[in-house]
Amino acid sequence: DQQVKQNSPSLSVQEGRISILNCDYTNSMFDYFLWYKKYPAEGPTFLISISSIKDKNEDGRFTVFLNKSAKHLSLHIVPSQPGDSAVYFCAAAVSGDYKLSFGAGTTVTVRA
Amino acid sequence: NAGVTQTPKFQVLKTGQSMTLQCAQDMNHEYMSWYRQDPGMGLRLIHYSVGAGITDQGEVPNGYNVSRSTTEDFPLRLLSAAPSQTSVYFCASRHRENAPLHFGNGTRLTVT
Repeated sequence: DQQVKQNSPSLSVQEGRISILNCDYTNSMFDYFLWYKKYPAEGPTFLISISSIKDKNEDGRFTVFLNKSAKHLSLHIVPSQPGDSAVYFCAAAVSGDYKLSFGAGTTVTVRA
Repeated sequence: NAGVTQTPKFQVLKTGQSMTLQCAQDMNHEYMSWYRQDPGMGLRLIHYSVGAGITDQGEVPNGYNVSRSTTEDFPLRLLSAAPSQTSVYFCASRHRENAPLHFGNGTRLTVT
C-alpha cells in the first residue's frame, strides 16, 4: 500500500511556462518531504525539501508547497527549461526514522 | 570524491542463479539502503543499514540478503534469482536522519 502517491504519470509543458507537480500522502506521521529529479541511466538527485513546520520552501526556480491538512504537497518550477525534462519523485519520512517512502514519479517533458 | 558507486551497471541472470550487487560510498555516511525501481511503483526500499553491523528489512525484502561489515560497503545478495526480481536497483546513503539521500547510478538487472 503506497503511502506516497503521484497520480499524474506525465506532464508536458512549454518552455518558459510553469510546471506544477502534485503529491499526496496518507501517513499523518510524515513530517519531512523531499523532491528528487532523475535523468535516464542516472540515479535520483536531491532537488528540494520541506519540513512540516513550514508551508513553503523556495530554491531558485523551484518552490515546494505543503498543505498538511490536505496531506498534499506540490512542486512548482518557474520558468520551465528543457533541462528540467526528467522524472520527478516525491518522498516523505518521519523525523527520527531513516526510511524514505517514494511516490511512483511524474515524467516531465518541457517542449521548446 | 566518487559518492555512491554501484557495480555492475548491467547484469543478466538465469532463474535460480545467485549474484551480489556491490555498493560503496566514500562520504562516511552511517546510513545506507537499497531500493528497487519498477514502472508505476516508484522506488521501494529493500533493506537498509544504520551503521556497520546493523541491518534491517524494508518494504520488499524477500529474496534478498544484505550485510554491513564496514561503513563504506553495503552489498545486496540475490540468493536464487526470479523473473520478478527484474528491476533497476539503486543504492543510496545519507549522513543522518532528515538529510537527503545520495544515490548511485543504478544496476539494471534482468532475470530470464
